Amino acid sequence: QKEVEQNSGPLSVPEGAIASLNCTYSDRGSQSFFWYRQYSGKSPELIMSIYSNGDKEDGRFTAQLNKASQYVSLLIRDSQPSDSATYLCAADTGGFKTIFGAGTRLFVKA
Amino acid sequence: SQTIHQWPATLVQPVGSPLSLECTVEGTSNPNLYWYRQAAGRGLQLLFYSVGIGQISSEVPQNLSASRPQDRQFILSSKKLLLSDSGFYLCAWSVGDYGYTFGSGTRLTVV
Repeated sequence: QKEVEQNSGPLSVPEGAIASLNCTYSDRGSQSFFWYRQYSGKSPELIMSIYSNGDKEDGRFTAQLNKASQYVSLLIRDSQPSDSATYLCAADTGGFKTIFGAGTRLFVKA
Repeated sequence: SQTIHQWPATLVQPVGSPLSLECTVEGTSNPNLYWYRQAAGRGLQLLFYSVGIGQISSEVPQNLSASRPQDRQFILSSKKLLLSDSGFYLCAWSVGDYGYTFGSGTRLTVV
């Protein structure tokens, strides 16, 4: 069964620090990877996508992909209390199916 | 710009009652449409997806069904709800391989 694994957390970091979120995926055929942010009681919001090995930066966010290790990560620089949310990692396994991890809860302490 | 509407926001239904949740998309044509369910503290479970009018693929055997009567309309239904159907139901759309845009969700409690 195709899976995406994440540490459920909570991950607690002080304001201004770097938050590092990780996930692994089981399907080597996956080509596209996404990070979603979900505030409590709200729907997920796409924040990053990554398709090739290496780093992709967008503002304070950097996504990293290593297909050989089947590993995806998200770094949040200068973390703010407003970044406190659950972060979902997702892998597109093809055939119109995206598998989501259960999410990592992040708390940024002011 | 593209928007997705989902309603109602919350719903409390008795066991055995029917269900109808509706989702509509604006600003795009021929989107892929999805219904996901998120149980409390759990990940998203894909229930149905559709690549076109009348085309529905089911991922999980259950007492739910889906229909796509128009290009930008996706409906989730049940004839008789079970307690285990409680959860946060999310409609989403995508075009190409650029990730999903989710609706605001419906929080369903079956009592």
